[in-house]
Amino acid sequence: NAGVIQTPRHKVTGKGQEATLWCEPISGHSAVFWYRQTIVQGLEFLTYFRNQAPIDDSGMPKERFSAQMPNQSHSTLKIQSTQPQDSAVYLCASSLETKDTQYFGPGTRLLVL
Amino acid sequence: GEQVEQLPSILRVQEGSSASINCTYENSASNYFPWYKQEPGENPKLIIDIRSNMERKQTQGLIVLLDKKAKRFSLHITDTQPGDSAMYFCAASRANTGKLTFGDGTVLTVKP
Repeated sequence: NAGVIQTPRHKVTGKGQEATLWCEPISGHSAVFWYRQTIVQGLEFLTYFRNQAPIDDSGMPKERFSAQMPNQSHSTLKIQSTQPQDSAVYLCASSLETKDTQYFGPGTRLLVL
Repeated sequence: GEQVEQLPSILRVQEGSSASINCTYENSASNYFPWYKQEPGENPKLIIDIRSNMERKQTQGLIVLLDKKAKRFSLHITDTQPGDSAMYFCAASRANTGKLTFGDGTVLTVKP
């Protein structure tokens, strides 16, 4: 089992550019979560899907951020018009069911210059 | 929502001694409390968790206690080793929501 896979591991973008982050959950897991980690804000919940359906996006910034899960094997987090304050490690996690242990991927380190 | 407070933020102990980290939560509906260990440049890894139907859980040198009345839970690492040095996060959630609310983390350093 390869665990949760995230690509790319590192991404550098210029201010105003778009960034798309990819997550492949553990096979058979029905719940996929996105979190963001920064020194200042710590680990913050962004959004999650269950059986590909969006369930809770209460942590997503209302503008510029969107997430999708087009099939059971991957989810994407898209940030439009990136800003320096978007710089963070974006972590994807999956769990067998919503109530079960969440396993984190290695994260994508996003740097917006 | 939920808020989780974690203390201390920095903890230094001598090898072989025990280390304790405390967390409090606000939402009485929270019923799942995992602990994650994160080493530099790595992803958070679950080390132990407890659900609200238990007050104590122990595994491999780790003890977690839950006091629902006080809305407090804690991690105790017995016989610490240098390999235990890392960032530790507590978290809380309602199991049917899945959304984890994390504490701010504790940097544990175990001195040889």
